[in-house]
Amino acid sequence: AQRVTQPEKLLSVFKGAPVELKCNYSYSGSPELFWYVQYSRQRLQLLLRHISRESIKGFTADLNKGETSFHLKKPFAQEEDSAMYYCALKAGGGAQKLVFGQGTRLTINP
Amino acid sequence: DVKVTQSSRYLVKRTGEKVFLECVQDMDHENMFWYRQDPGLGLRLIYFSYDVKMKEKGDIPEGYSVSREKKERFSLILESASTNQTSMYLCASSFSPNTEAFFGQGTRLTVV
Repeated sequence: AQRVTQPEKLLSVFKGAPVELKCNYSYSGSPELFWYVQYSRQRLQLLLRHISRESIKGFTADLNKGETSFHLKKPFAQEEDSAMYYCALKAGGGAQKLVFGQGTRLTINP
Repeated sequence: DVKVTQSSRYLVKRTGEKVFLECVQDMDHENMFWYRQDPGLGLRLIYFSYDVKMKEKGDIPEGYSVSREKKERFSLILESASTNQTSMYLCASSFSPNTEAFFGQGTRLTVV
């Protein structure tokens, strides 16, 4: 079965400090992974996906198949990064589910 | 701009009522999803659909059913609402599973 685990429910860092939000997955096939973000009173929206290998708002995430991880990183946190972050896995095959983790609430302190 | 619209922001229903949550998308997306969002549990997939009249169970389908008679509309049905179905319900759609999923604004359902 497909599973996404985000071990930290809450993460608090100071402005300017590095941020790492952890995501681990279990899936026997070739995974496709995403990070979604939900800012206060806004809809859930895509932040980035591993196939794009892009940096969005200073965030990057690298797929590590050996460790089955897809951690989200930013070298210098900003106050506007405070939000709820969800890691998601697309499970392939005929029925293509999009499965989410439990979420991490990131708070950036001034 | 892709728009996913859920018919209600807030709903209050009584135990035992049949409840319909409606979701409409305007971008001709193939895939549509219903999730419930609970603190500490994240988003849990209830049902999804990859074509008209096609549906698949997600991880927590018990107590729910869905309907997709038209491509743009995906309805979630609570056959007999119970208090443990009090939650935030999110609808999403995507063109394909590899592409971005767009979410609705959510429906906060309270069952009393």
